[in-house]
Amino acid sequence: AQKITQTQPGMFVQEKEAVTLDCTYDTSDQSYGLFWYKQPSSGEMIFLIYQGSYDEQNATEGRYSLNFQKARKSANLVISASQLGDSAMYFCAMREVHSGGSNYKLTFGKGTLLTVNP
Amino acid sequence: KAGVTQTPRYLIKTRGQQVTLSCSPISGHRSVSWYQQTPGQGLQFLFEYFSETQRNKGNFPGRFSGRQFSNSRSEMNVSTLELGDSALYLCASSFSPYNSPLHFGNGTRLTVT
Repeated sequence: AQKITQTQPGMFVQEKEAVTLDCTYDTSDQSYGLFWYKQPSSGEMIFLIYQGSYDEQNATEGRYSLNFQKARKSANLVISASQLGDSAMYFCAMREVHSGGSNYKLTFGKGTLLTVNP
Repeated sequence: KAGVTQTPRYLIKTRGQQVTLSCSPISGHRSVSWYQQTPGQGLQFLFEYFSETQRNKGNFPGRFSGRQFSNSRSEMNVSTLELGDSALYLCASSFSPYNSPLHFGNGTRLTVT
């Protein structure tokens, strides 16, 4: 089973509108972290936002917010007031911390290609 | 503060050769990890180092190896290159292996012919 599922291969949004990118995850760990990254065509992976499994409040960073629903195992990214520069690939990722603290790798979803139209 | 620096940016090699990629983490970051990105497989974890120790390794053949130096800089090596090794190799650093964000470099695009 996939650990991170991003069901939207591509999304389109009009400039200045909000958009939600979906992410569901699968883990049996109690302690984990969820990340969103943006990858423009240049290839660099840009960190956007982080949510810890024990965080009670949804994370926000400027125009980015994370809609964290732990019981449903979803961590959707909301981008408000989209800009042309937001056009990029967006990846959801999870970091599990297994007991003994020996596993800290990031598992990525397949990504969602967001296109912002003027 | 300088970001994660990867060198070289582009590399073209032929099958059977070996290659070494370099990564300088953000100053103060002691955890370095490597990822391979291909259109077919997406982003896959290669290995993670912390304080010169390999903490975790992904499901890659032994041709893929790495190391971390005392200044936290890291190198990864791929021996006996195959066409399927063509990919974008991304290095990431973080302050600790715990739930702090990974900061990625621009990557090294390796083409094997």
